[in-house]
Amino acid sequence: DAKTTQPNSMESNEEEPVHLPCNHSTISGTDYIHWYRQLPSQGPEYVIHGLTSNVNNRMASLAIAEDRKSSTLILHRATLRDAAVYYCILRPYSGNTGKLIFGQGTTLQVKP
Amino acid sequence: GAVVSQHPSWVICKSGTSVKIECRSLDFQATTMFWYRQFPKQSLMLMATSNEGSKATYEQGVEKDKFLINHASLTLSTLTVTSAHPEDSSFYICSADRAQAGAGYTFGSGTRLTVV
Repeated sequence: DAKTTQPNSMESNEEEPVHLPCNHSTISGTDYIHWYRQLPSQGPEYVIHGLTSNVNNRMASLAIAEDRKSSTLILHRATLRDAAVYYCILRPYSGNTGKLIFGQGTTLQVKP
Repeated sequence: GAVVSQHPSWVICKSGTSVKIECRSLDFQATTMFWYRQFPKQSLMLMATSNEGSKATYEQGVEKDKFLINHASLTLSTLTVTSAHPEDSSFYICSADRAQAGAGYTFGSGTRLTVV
């Protein structure tokens, strides 16, 4: 399974943008880039995913490098509720179903 | 849409007893569900892939006779921790796949198991 590398932790100030990086240099052509976040004592929550093009949704934006070896999750205005562990995961395309292998993720702290 | 309900949210059991955890997809059918466990301050570890109507596929190092998985319908998968011991105490989380190519997975809220 292709692996991802993320910084262990990041800090942000409330209402400022946050850019969470992820490296995935061994990504294959059919791997989707997924982002999830997990609040304490809760299951992970889907944030966003993409394949080649940048993606936007109500929660965040995903910027994917042209060579797909890295990506960045962008929270446009961080709030205290965005403090969580963020996981960047490659989902293999395997007949519509591929298992997700979690790395250590990035713990985001948001300061008021 | 895409809600996964996990029950119970927490359970305390005596050493040697068995505990069943349920994972239901409420508004979609899930031919595939996944079971994870998470120890404090660690990431999620995939235990097994649960396939409707067939045997689960376990990850290396996971004891299939201890962690029994049943996926009898398209909306329900269960994980039974048999003969639980204190070292089985953990946070167990399920997720379900809507089988849309590349789409995100939906996770349950997790079950905190404490074996005393």
